[in-house]
Amino acid sequence: AQKITQTQPGMFVQEKEAVTLDCTYDTSDQSYGLFWYKQPSSGEMIFLIYQGSYDEQNATEGRYSLNFQKARKSANLVISASQLGDSAMYFCAMRGTGGTSYGKLTFGQGTILTVHP
Amino acid sequence: ETGVTQSPTHLIKTRGQQVTLRCSSQSGHNTVSWYQQALGQGPQFIFQYYREEENGRGNFPPRFSGLQFPNYSSELNVNALELDDSALYLCASSLGPRERQYFGPGTRLTVT
Repeated sequence: AQKITQTQPGMFVQEKEAVTLDCTYDTSDQSYGLFWYKQPSSGEMIFLIYQGSYDEQNATEGRYSLNFQKARKSANLVISASQLGDSAMYFCAMRGTGGTSYGKLTFGQGTILTVHP
Repeated sequence: ETGVTQSPTHLIKTRGQQVTLRCSSQSGHNTVSWYQQALGQGPQFIFQYYREEENGRGNFPPRFSGLQFPNYSSELNVNALELDDSALYLCASSLGPRERQYFGPGTRLTVT
């Protein structure tokens, strides 16, 4: 079984500062993928960044970077230079490759990020 | 925008009724996955359809069923609605079962 844990129900950050959102995972799959999504109040899931379990370098997408520590089973999202529009719910998710986890995304509980001016 | 559309946007139903939600996948995508997101929770996987066949199912009862059509659009059907079925229902399409999923805007279902 796969599990994603996000221990921060809410986070606050000042505009233009960096913030780290925590994510730890558990899986028995050797190969897996880790995702971060942003969900504004409108409800749509917006893809931010992806990290494959065999990728040696941490993924980056513009202001987003993923701090992947495989031995610790953590995949933290770092947002640099926060903007007011970054205020939203953020989800960490995993896609496995084995058995019943094949193809499906398992999500964490989410972290609400509030950016203050 | 991802090119994935869902209808209707909002829906109110009474307990015991049946509901059908629809999803049009992004052009070229042959896989559709459905998720249920209760208020304040992360999405939960319902099932996935790949080339018109069910390709995996989460821990949902049989009253949750689905279809995928030859054009790869999909329906989610829920029978005998319960109050706990109130949620945002998200569909996501992808180029294949293991490819990146592109989400639609969701259908918000309220069961009274």
